[in-house]
Amino acid sequence: NAGVTQTPKFRILKIGQSMTLQCAQDMNHNYMYWYRQDPGMGLKLIYYSVGAGITDKGEVPNGYNVSRSTTEDFPLRLELAAPSQTSVYFCASSSHSYGYTFGSGTRLTVV
Amino acid sequence: DAKTTQPNSMESNEEEPVHLPCNHSTISGTDYIHWYRQLPSQGPEYVIHGLTSNVNNRMASLAIAEDRKSSTLILHRATLRDAAVYYCILRDNTNAGKSTFGDGTTLTVKP
Repeated sequence: NAGVTQTPKFRILKIGQSMTLQCAQDMNHNYMYWYRQDPGMGLKLIYYSVGAGITDKGEVPNGYNVSRSTTEDFPLRLELAAPSQTSVYFCASSSHSYGYTFGSGTRLTVV
Repeated sequence: DAKTTQPNSMESNEEEPVHLPCNHSTISGTDYIHWYRQLPSQGPEYVIHGLTSNVNNRMASLAIAEDRKSSTLILHRATLRDAAVYYCILRDNTNAGKSTFGDGTTLTVKP
């Protein structure tokens, strides 16, 4: 059982470049989330989705976009990367009543 | 989203019990109390959750105050592998299951 799979694990971007962080889950969870974690800090919610075709902003959505065309996949798009987006990104999923299952994270550096 | 307050750090000796406190004075009636832990360079891992009654599982116990304004995560016999950051969060299943993560408690276990 794979759980939540995130790719890539590491990436270095130049300022102004764009990229997509991939997230896939195989647990048939309706809810999916993207968090970012800066060094020594807790997690901040970027975007979330309650089902295919439905997404909404979290605490820190600026500079990011998401889509949810299937139950399994929830990609996060960074447009015009900035140094402030250097962080570790975690994708998570859950069913209605249970806890989150997190992926192993994508470590992004913008230089 | 309701917030939680946790001590920044705690220490424990190996094989002794650990009580990790969490205050959530603004908890609403539909908020579940969840605990996660994060090992270095990993995504957060679900530990336990509850609504009103105390809960036990193979990893830990959760004691919830009668007024629900605080809770305590209990690790019955700490091991070196329990050294991690522990997050107490509130999760409202009526609000897309969104949660706010604070900075958590860093638990150090001494041999």
